[in-house]
Amino acid sequence: DAGITQSPRYKITETGRQVTLMCHQTWSHSYMFWYRQDLGHGLRLIYYSAAADITDKGEVPDGYVVSRSKTENFPLTLESATRSQTSVYFCASSERLAGDIAKNIQYFGAGTRLSVL
Amino acid sequence: RKEVEQDPGPFNVPEGATVAFNCTYSNSASQSFFWYRQDCRKEPKLLMSVYSSGNEDGRFTAQLNRASQYISLLIRDSKLSDSATYLCVVNQAGTALIFGKGTTLSVSS
Repeated sequence: DAGITQSPRYKITETGRQVTLMCHQTWSHSYMFWYRQDLGHGLRLIYYSAAADITDKGEVPDGYVVSRSKTENFPLTLESATRSQTSVYFCASSERLAGDIAKNIQYFGAGTRLSVL
Repeated sequence: RKEVEQDPGPFNVPEGATVAFNCTYSNSASQSFFWYRQDCRKEPKLLMSVYSSGNEDGRFTAQLNRASQYISLLIRDSKLSDSATYLCVVNQAGTALIFGKGTTLSVSS
């Protein structure tokens, strides 16, 4: 089915390990986003990308790395996982960030629940 | 002042009640406005976009007041299935969407 998919859905890792969360969308949306969601903080933007090879920091980028070599994929890497990175991670995509409101709508993947022990 | 503020609730209402959520935003340059719904431990999903003239979708009505930088969501005839967290979302042109922390609604029989 077309849409936005995240993998894995659940991940347990240890501090210091490198972890990569995958995000794939089939709509050919230009924009893709990574958020983390924690109790008391709501959704916080980690990184986003306007197109292949164009990425920008969000509110909480420290400790994370992203890449976007292809329009449809936007992996998020925790280079050396810490306990504070235990969270639910959501990937999202949208056609645009301006203009027609319908094209600004973000569609979310089902999320990845990451636990860092 | 936070960019998007919502009353966190929880709002506890009986079935059939009418409930209203409010949201304020700080940046007057904000251009697009949305209400998303998030069920427990699931991804946010678009409930409705908010247009300048206000808009209605079945039991849901959204209003925008640009002068007061205020957005509202009204739910009429609440159903058990309306129990969720409602996220107020805004953006300025060229920037990522900004999400409020959400308002929790619990509808009981």
